[in-house]
Amino acid sequence: QVQLVQSGGEVKKPGASVKVSCKASGYPFTSYGLSWVRQAPGQGLQWMGWISAYTGNTNYAQKFQGRVTMTTDTSTSTAYMELRSLRSDDTAVYYCARGGAGGSSSCYFFWGQGTLVTVSS
Amino acid sequence: ELVLTQSPDFQSVTPKEKVTITCRASQSIDSHLHWYQQKPDQSPKLLIKYASQSISGVPSRFSGSGSGTDFTLTINSLEAEDAATYYCHHSSVLFHTFGQGTRLEIK
Repeated sequence: QVQLVQSGGEVKKPGASVKVSCKASGYPFTSYGLSWVRQAPGQGLQWMGWISAYTGNTNYAQKFQGRVTMTTDTSTSTAYMELRSLRSDDTAVYYCARGGAGGSSSCYFFWGQGTLVTVSS
Repeated sequence: ELVLTQSPDFQSVTPKEKVTITCRASQSIDSHLHWYQQKPDQSPKLLIKYASQSISGVPSRFSGSGSGTDFTLTINSLEAEDAATYYCHHSSVLFHTFGQGTRLEIK
């Protein structure tokens, strides 16, 4: 069965960077893209961007352009999301989510369990 | 920039009621609109894809309709386990966005 297992929670200071991982299993990793979505405490869902696991091509939300980098390691079927210059309002649960055959325009059939990133001095 | 606006933000309902949640897009998005359910401390779960297509394993009381700018998620005969927040989601090749969410409370 498809599984997306994310790395554990992180506590970071303002100005630092965080790198969250998402290990995929149960399907051919390079056949589907992955999106990253975050959710601040008590708030709604916010799309951060998408990466093709086949080509490595990315598409970032304008809000995060210049501050986020999404990568994949096909040898370990793992996707990564790095966010730099962290601020307190980056405190959120970060999810990876896998689409379907529609590529970057697909809905999300599978989600990781989420990774809480806390930014605090 | 495309904006999705859900209504209501919150609704308190009794079991067996029929519930309707709407999602309005600021511009036409054809049928590129999906619905998710999120329970506290859980990841979202896909309920409906492309406005009205059902998802395997999702109870048949959940249905979707609409196209263009106006979309509806309907829950027939609400059950206690349906207490959750519901989100609409637009996906395109270049851009994704979510509605602000609708929280359903079961009386």
